[in-house]
Amino acid sequence: EPEVTQTPSHQVTQMGQEVILRCVPISNHLYFYWYRQILGQKVEFLVSFYNNEISEKSEIFDDQFSVERPDGSNFTLKIRSTKLEDSAMYFCASSRDFLSSGNTIYFGEGSWLTVV
Amino acid sequence: DAKTTQPNSMESNEEEPVHLPCNHSTISGTDYIHWYRQLPSQGPEYVIHGLTSNVNNRMASLAIAEDRKSSTLILHRATLRDAAVYYCILGYSGNTPLVFGKGTRLSVIA
Repeated sequence: EPEVTQTPSHQVTQMGQEVILRCVPISNHLYFYWYRQILGQKVEFLVSFYNNEISEKSEIFDDQFSVERPDGSNFTLKIRSTKLEDSAMYFCASSRDFLSSGNTIYFGEGSWLTVV
Repeated sequence: DAKTTQPNSMESNEEEPVHLPCNHSTISGTDYIHWYRQLPSQGPEYVIHGLTSNVNNRMASLAIAEDRKSSTLILHRATLRDAAVYYCILGYSGNTPLVFGKGTRLSVIA
């Protein structure tokens, strides 16, 4: 069964450093997403991406964050100048088409980011 | 935005059926009802979704009320592996992303 894969599974970084989290969405999917989950809290939407541009973003997704699809398979989340509160599990997800047309999102296993 | 209401937690005995309720009284006619679950230390996992009719798949069944203001996820025989947080989420118009609430934490007792 096709799946969303994420790397790294766990990264420890020093405060102020830049981090890039990588994802390979399911191959025939057109919509890509990043969510995050701070330990013990809800899964929070960050950003959605379609046709090489951001489709929706939440208030969390400020100038510190950026997303990119550098080639035909990878989808990345860059976090500049990391802060302690960026420590969380980051989930990549993808969907074949619009969610309103009955499609659904498939999530990766997550990248655990620890900022020290 | 249409929202959902779920019990914070439920408990089930192993090999018994489990009925997880969800209220969504402000649902609009085009909102799909999605169910996801999250096992400990894993990403959310798709379970099932539907619009108006009841749905069945290998994981579960989804029973949708006639007025669509509530739905029930049915696990036919709970196993220890089904212990997870279950989320009932409405899919809005266009491609507004799925918004997760707190869900229902299901405990399965051997």
